[in-house]
Amino acid sequence: DGGITQSPKYLFRKEGQNVTLSCEQNLNHDAMYWYRQDPGQGLRLIYYSQIVNDFQKGDIAEGYSVSREKKESFPLTVTSAQKNPTAFYLCASSMALSGGHYNEQFFGPGTRLTVL
Amino acid sequence: SQQGEEDPQALSIQEGENATMNCSYKTSINNLQWYRQNSGRGLVHLILIRSNEREKHSGRLRVTLDTSKKSSSLLITASRAADTASYFCATDAVLIGRGGSNYKLTFGKGTLLTVNP
Repeated sequence: DGGITQSPKYLFRKEGQNVTLSCEQNLNHDAMYWYRQDPGQGLRLIYYSQIVNDFQKGDIAEGYSVSREKKESFPLTVTSAQKNPTAFYLCASSMALSGGHYNEQFFGPGTRLTVL
Repeated sequence: SQQGEEDPQALSIQEGENATMNCSYKTSINNLQWYRQNSGRGLVHLILIRSNEREKHSGRLRVTLDTSKKSSSLLITASRAADTASYFCATDAVLIGRGGSNYKLTFGKGTLLTVNP
């Protein structure tokens, strides 16, 4: 089955700890994204990567870090510098545009992070 | 800042009725997309409408786009209990980088649709 997976589904963290959220896709997509969703809110872009070994900050990158060493993987680390990390985190991927084609984003099932 | 804003925030209807959700945005777009999210799950793409299109259909979904008013609407006809979900509009900004072109999507806060059996 092709798709995008995230693990774990639920994650609990003590204050002051760093945690890493996994995102893997086998869709052969070039671009990957991390979003944060708070209750009753839309999605806000944290980081995105359009190609291996390259990534860019989104709208709310402070307190987060990412890596893109493989095309299939785009892990997100929530650091202790993130002041309010409790949220639902969604990973997405999409194909690079070519020939004027527009692309949709495919989302993983999400990871719910709770800071204790 | 939020580009797309959905209206209403919540909508409750009976099965079989039509549901209409609206989205307004502020700046020019290339295309507008609608996504659906079941509670606690990821988003699923429903439909994309380009800036030069005015209406698009997909099954029981009908999307309209009025670029002069910077607004879009999503109509779900003959609703079912299984349509219960949050619906988001997303507008785009093109990202041009080493990997070619891709879209940065900006999401609204969504409309929570409840379809009662």
